[in-house]
Amino acid sequence: DVKVTQSSRYLVKRTGEKVFLECVQDMDHENMFWYRQDPGLGLRLIYFSYDVKMKEKGDIPEGYSVSREKKERFSLILESASTNQTSMYLCASSSPGQGAYEQYFGPGTRLTVT
Amino acid sequence: RKEVEQDPGPFNVPEGATVAFNCTYSNSASQSFFWYRQDCRKEPKLLMSVYSSGNEDGRFTAQLNRASQYISLLIRDSKLSDSATYLCVVIRMDSSYKLIFGSGTRLLVRP
Repeated sequence: DVKVTQSSRYLVKRTGEKVFLECVQDMDHENMFWYRQDPGLGLRLIYFSYDVKMKEKGDIPEGYSVSREKKERFSLILESASTNQTSMYLCASSSPGQGAYEQYFGPGTRLTVT
Repeated sequence: RKEVEQDPGPFNVPEGATVAFNCTYSNSASQSFFWYRQDCRKEPKLLMSVYSSGNEDGRFTAQLNRASQYISLLIRDSKLSDSATYLCVVIRMDSSYKLIFGSGTRLLVRP
């Protein structure tokens, strides 16, 4: 069974803190993604990576950075958390080429910034 | 204007009913189309692809109308377990890795 895991289901942080969200996949997928999901706005792409040490900005990268040192792990970093970053964060992975349209998602991390 | 638009619903239907959702997309460079399903408090999962010729998978039928730039999902004989949010997804020709998600249509099937 394919698996994408995220380090925390729920996280509460204070404004200004540095926050790390970890994602690990066991499917040997090249592509990995970070999204945030907000009511009425759907899933919005923050960053993605199609190979180790490669990263590309998505539609809303401001205030975030990412790290991909190993193929199976993709980390999202909030350099200085702000209240408008309170959201559900979803990690996903996919294989390249024809398989790219099927993304496998982790269970999500609900982050609250106070 | 959002690139992918969906009626948020909820669509509240009795078991056994037929229900249909539409989704419109604004970018004519959109290349591929899909429906994902997201259960309450769960992650999205691929439901089915949408082809120009239509695509049927059991009780689910997906269709694409390129001229009018919309895709549809028809569910026949609704089950309680069909209650979920259905996400319309588009891939643009300029970036095959990036999926553009609609904000979803919520379906509630009642006994």
